Amino acid sequence: NAGVTQTPKFQVLKTGQSMTLQCAQDMNHEYMSWYRQDPGMGLRLIHYSVGAGITDQGEVPNGYNVSRSTTEDFPLRLLSAAPSQTSVYFCATAGTGGAGTDTQYFGPGTRLTVL
Amino acid sequence: SQKIEQNSEALNIQEGKTATLTCNYTNYSPAYLQWYRQDPGRGPVFLLLIRENEKEKRKERLKVTFDTTLKQSLFHITASQPADSATYLCALDMMQGGKLIFGQGTELSVKP
Repeated sequence: NAGVTQTPKFQVLKTGQSMTLQCAQDMNHEYMSWYRQDPGMGLRLIHYSVGAGITDQGEVPNGYNVSRSTTEDFPLRLLSAAPSQTSVYFCATAGTGGAGTDTQYFGPGTRLTVL
Repeated sequence: SQKIEQNSEALNIQEGKTATLTCNYTNYSPAYLQWYRQDPGRGPVFLLLIRENEKEKRKERLKVTFDTTLKQSLFHITASQPADSATYLCALDMMQGGKLIFGQGTELSVKP
């Protein structure tokens, strides 16, 4: 089992470029989420999904889009990158109980720099 | 909105001592509270979950308490080791369809 995988590991973008951060899981988990982590700010929830076809916003959704067409994949799209989106991005999954009641499994992260 | 505060200053302790980390929250008490460990350059790893009707939970050298009156959780590592050095995060269930919010984390350093 690979668990939660994220690609790419590192990315540098110019302001205004768009890109997609990939997240895949092989644990058959219903719940998936995206967080960003900035120094001194902890992890902040961007978007989450409680199952295929269902997504919702977290604390800091602006500038990001998500979709969930399969149980396994939950890509995060940056529509027009801005320097404020420079951060480390983590994808996480949890079982059918949801984020609060179940262990969350985190991916290794994507370090994004926007110039 | 719910706010979470963890010790912002790093905690430095001697090997063998007990480390105690604090997680305070405002507003309503969550149904569940979780603790995670994060090593530099890696994603957080789940350690313990405690429910609002549980006062204490233990796992090997780890102990978590949950006081809904004080709106506080304490995380203890007994007989600490240098390998316990990491950042520790607490997370609360927001009871909104599964949203989980995290504190900013406390960095623990255990010196030999």
